[in-house]
Amino acid sequence: AQSVTQLDSQVPVFEEAPVELRCNYSSSVSVYLFWYVQYPNQGLQLLLKYLSGSTLVKGINGFEAEFNKSQTSFHLRKPSVHISDTAEYFCAVTLIYNQGGKLIFGQGTELSVKP
Amino acid sequence: DGGITQSPKYLFRKEGQNVTLSCEQNLNHDAMYWYRQDPGQGLRLIYYSQIVNDFQKGDIAEGYSVSREKKESFPLTVTSAQKNPTAFYLCATGTGGPEQYFGPGTRLTVT
Repeated sequence: AQSVTQLDSQVPVFEEAPVELRCNYSSSVSVYLFWYVQYPNQGLQLLLKYLSGSTLVKGINGFEAEFNKSQTSFHLRKPSVHISDTAEYFCAVTLIYNQGGKLIFGQGTELSVKP
Repeated sequence: DGGITQSPKYLFRKEGQNVTLSCEQNLNHDAMYWYRQDPGQGLRLIYYSQIVNDFQKGDIAEGYSVSREKKESFPLTVTSAQKNPTAFYLCATGTGGPEQYFGPGTRLTVT
């Protein structure tokens, strides 16, 4: 069975500092990978996705992530965060040949950006 | 204005009552999904539907029911059999590919 582990439940950082949110997955078959962001009491917004091709993926709001197949990781990074980046971030996977398009989510990482 | 609508945003019910959460979309997407979100647990799939008049159980379907009579609508009923119904419920749609698009969510509180 597939699973996703987000290694940090909370990440506090100061404004303009770099940040990395870690995500590891477990799967015996190839997967697609996603990062979503959720602001309080709202739905999820897609930040970026890895489907194929270059392992470095750029998304919205200056975020990027790198797919590392050998380490089964898909860590999210931003070189300089803003107060407005404070939110919860979810890593998710789905099987490439998945019927139904079911997403499997990690537990979430709460990013808190302080002035 | 295209999108996914979930109503109401906040819902309160007494224990033992069934309650139906609405999800409507005008994106013309074939697939629709219901997830439940609890603090520290991420999102878990309740039910999904890839086509009208057909749906499948997800990982935590017990205590829930759905219908898919129209492409645009995928209501979720939380029955009295659901032991811990208080949660944030998210509806999503998809085109059948890997991406999903999420609605704004409904926060259900059962006391």
